[in-house]
Amino acid sequence: GESVGLHLPTLSVQEGDNSIINCAYSNSASDYFIWYKQESGKGPQFIIDIRSNMDKRQGQRVTVLLNKTVKHLSLQIAATQPGDSAVYFCAERGWGKLQFGAGTQVVVTP
Amino acid sequence: EAQVTQNPRYLITVTGKKLTVTCSQNMNHEYMSWYRQDPGLGLRQIYYSMNVEVTDKGDVPEGYKVSRKEKRNFPLILESPSPNQTSLYFCASRGLGEKLFFGSGTQLSVL
Repeated sequence: GESVGLHLPTLSVQEGDNSIINCAYSNSASDYFIWYKQESGKGPQFIIDIRSNMDKRQGQRVTVLLNKTVKHLSLQIAATQPGDSAVYFCAERGWGKLQFGAGTQVVVTP
Repeated sequence: EAQVTQNPRYLITVTGKKLTVTCSQNMNHEYMSWYRQDPGLGLRQIYYSMNVEVTDKGDVPEGYKVSRKEKRNFPLILESPSPNQTSLYFCASRGLGEKLFFGSGTQLSVL
């Protein structure tokens, strides 16, 4: 999984399987969280967000789970496709400021 | 198409030679920001602007300048670039919500 500000782990997933990308955040006062996808050579793209008064939010093929007790955020991608290969990173908003994690490289294998 | 446009995409320069990276957005966003992205680190904010003529330092402002004379443009200026400013730079903007829209990035190498 990912922790804000350190190494870039890699998650290898077989096409069709579900992916789970983890993010440990640091600020217990953070009230808003976002997941971004960054493909090679491109800028980050918004995937999904969640506020701290929720513990789950679903989008198209993606689900974000928030566990405030252990300060953990996860992104689940259903039926992973080759086009999902990218770096995924989370961001937390604490005290009005957005802090980004370094990301997790997701590699989809056939 | 709604977008944030940065130029150039790639730039190689030498230490001390002033350069400007341009950023333009066509979404009428009030908030704009510059980030740098380095290997193993998350995006770090350089400067941001809440509106025209209003700019503030982010986490790593040293060696950079910005200006916001018009709503759509937010150029990043390196008056005297140094090798430690070699990085991938992103401009971003947002409207009333929290969602940031990013440009495609500018890869800068300072020799």
